[in-house]
Amino acid sequence: EAEVAQSPRYKITEKSQAVAFWCDPISGHATLYWYRQILGQGPELLVQFQDESVVDDSQLPKDRFSAERLKGVDSTLKIQPAELGDSAMYLCASSGGQSSYEQYFGPGTRLTVT
Amino acid sequence: KNEVEQSPQNLTAQEGEFITINCSYSVGISALHWLQQHPGGGIVSLFMLSSGKKKHGRLIATINIQEKHSSLHITASHPRDSAVYICAVASGSRLTFGEGTQLTVNP
Repeated sequence: EAEVAQSPRYKITEKSQAVAFWCDPISGHATLYWYRQILGQGPELLVQFQDESVVDDSQLPKDRFSAERLKGVDSTLKIQPAELGDSAMYLCASSGGQSSYEQYFGPGTRLTVT
Repeated sequence: KNEVEQSPQNLTAQEGEFITINCSYSVGISALHWLQQHPGGGIVSLFMLSSGKKKHGRLIATINIQEKHSSLHITASHPRDSAVYICAVASGSRLTFGEGTQLTVNP
């Protein structure tokens, strides 16, 4: 069964360092989402792509976060510089195909900033 | 007030008990999702529904559009059902999530 892949699964970084996360959506899914989930809360949307274009990045802290999906397939989310408050689970999801609005989630990257 | 409210926040049950988790929302939606998140972090979609009732194994999800309320039921609960259950409402392609219900089922 096709899955959304994310790497790394876990990342520990020091404050002020740069960190990057990678997501490979289900093949053929045009829409890709990055979410941030703080412990004990539900996920919050950071950025949504439709193919290679950003559809919604209103909640993305653009002074330190960036996201790209250059060829409309896999995507990278970067934080530079990382802050203590960025410690969270970063989830990637994709949608498309027959059930176009159903989102399929990856395993997530748990980031700890020290 | 959050757009999506779940109750209870935490729920502890004994194996075999019938479990209900509730979700209320305040916005117009195109669909409602119930998601399961295990301690490792990955999220699995359990149901997507826009009306009525769906059943999958021991899980049942219902939605009342007029009352803006949905419930997730687990029959004959098992320790492996222990997880966080998240309600999310869809408006087009955008999801708004509740804060989740932490379920612990003890043997």
